[in-house]
Amino acid sequence: EAQVTQNPRYLITVTGKKLTVTCSQNMNHEYMSWYRQDPGLGLRQIYYSMNVEVTDKGDVPEGYKVSRKEKRNFPLILESPSPNQTSLYFCASRLAGANYGYTFGSGTRLTVV
Amino acid sequence: AQSVTQPDIHITVSEGASLELRCNYSYGATPYLFWYVQSPGQGLQLLLKYFSGDTLVQGIKGFEAEFKRSQSSFNLRKPSVHWSDAAEYFCAVGARSSNTGKLIFGQGTTLQVKP
Repeated sequence: EAQVTQNPRYLITVTGKKLTVTCSQNMNHEYMSWYRQDPGLGLRQIYYSMNVEVTDKGDVPEGYKVSRKEKRNFPLILESPSPNQTSLYFCASRLAGANYGYTFGSGTRLTVV
Repeated sequence: AQSVTQPDIHITVSEGASLELRCNYSYGATPYLFWYVQSPGQGLQLLLKYFSGDTLVQGIKGFEAEFKRSQSSFNLRKPSVHWSDAAEYFCAVGARSSNTGKLIFGQGTTLQVKP
């Protein structure tokens, strides 16, 4: 089944404890993105990647890192999480053309206390 | 600035009634336009998209949307709503020529369906 898989689905952590949210797609998509969803703000892009080893900042990159060592994987890293990073996170992927819609993962609900 | 506005935060309709969800955008040029649906606890699923050509586009689950350039709108419609349509709906726009792959999302409209 074609899909984007995120793990974990739910995570509660403490301030400052490094964490990684994994994202993997099996559709050979070039583009991958991370979004965060907050009430009243919709979805905002954190980072994106156009292909292996090509990543760049989105609209809200502060406090996050990403890597794209393989085409299928695009992990989101929070080196020192803070409570304002409590949010619902989505990974998404699509083919290279802008006319393709994104396929989204099921989301990771992160709570930082 | 580029933006997407969904004026209705919450809509309630009766099962079997027609539905229209509004979406207005502000963009430098005609963007690509999308509607996504998010069921509780789920990711976003693509309902339909507009790139060019016929301004009335058909999507999955019986939804359609009409692009009106003069009004900068891309409203989503369904003639007869089913209880399973209760969800949050997001309108999004994307640039035709962009390296970022970024979509700009509206704030979402939550649809409640009354029996």
